[in-house]
Amino acid sequence: EAQVTQNPRYLITVTGKKLTVTCSQNMNHEYMSWYRQDPGLGLRQIYYSMNVEVTDKGDVPEGYKVSRKEKRNFPLILESPSPNQTSLYFCASSFLGGQGPYGYTFGSGTRLTVV
Amino acid sequence: LAKTTQPISMDSYEGQEVNITCSHNNIATNDYITWYQQFPSQGPRFIIQGYKTKVTNEVASLFIPADRKSSTLSLPRVSLSDTAVYYCLVGDNYRSGYSTLTFGKGTMLLVSP
Repeated sequence: EAQVTQNPRYLITVTGKKLTVTCSQNMNHEYMSWYRQDPGLGLRQIYYSMNVEVTDKGDVPEGYKVSRKEKRNFPLILESPSPNQTSLYFCASSFLGGQGPYGYTFGSGTRLTVV
Repeated sequence: LAKTTQPISMDSYEGQEVNITCSHNNIATNDYITWYQQFPSQGPRFIIQGYKTKVTNEVASLFIPADRKSSTLSLPRVSLSDTAVYYCLVGDNYRSGYSTLTFGKGTMLLVSP
């Protein structure tokens, strides 16, 4: 089944403890991206990648890192999480340009709480 | 990057046709228009995409006038399960140099019995 898989689905952590949220897609998509969703603010893009070893900042990159060493994986790294990073996170992937027949495919989300 | 404007919310009843309009005055020549649906705590799901005129699939139709400054998502005979947030997105064509996919706040559609 074509899908984007995020792990974990839920995570509670403490301030300053490094964490990684994994994202993997099995559709051979070039483009992958991370979003966070907060009440009243909608979906905001954190980072995106147009191919292996090619990453760039989205609208809210502060406090996050990403890497794209393989085409299928695009982990989101929080080196020193803070409470304002408590949010619902989504990973998405697509063929370049997002103009494929199904647009972007999103993962099921990771609900992160930083205390 | 073309900005989009949608109504914040809409109400409807089961069985009615719902039309959600999105304005995108600064749409670029190479930009496509894409609509997504999102249920609470789930990732957005692709509904339909178009460039001009009319596109129809099994769940919706997309109407785009000749000037492409707006578009209308049409949902025929909605049911309670169509209650969701609907996002209109424009652009993200790598050939035009834009590489980010920007979501607005979407339109919250509430379908009542």
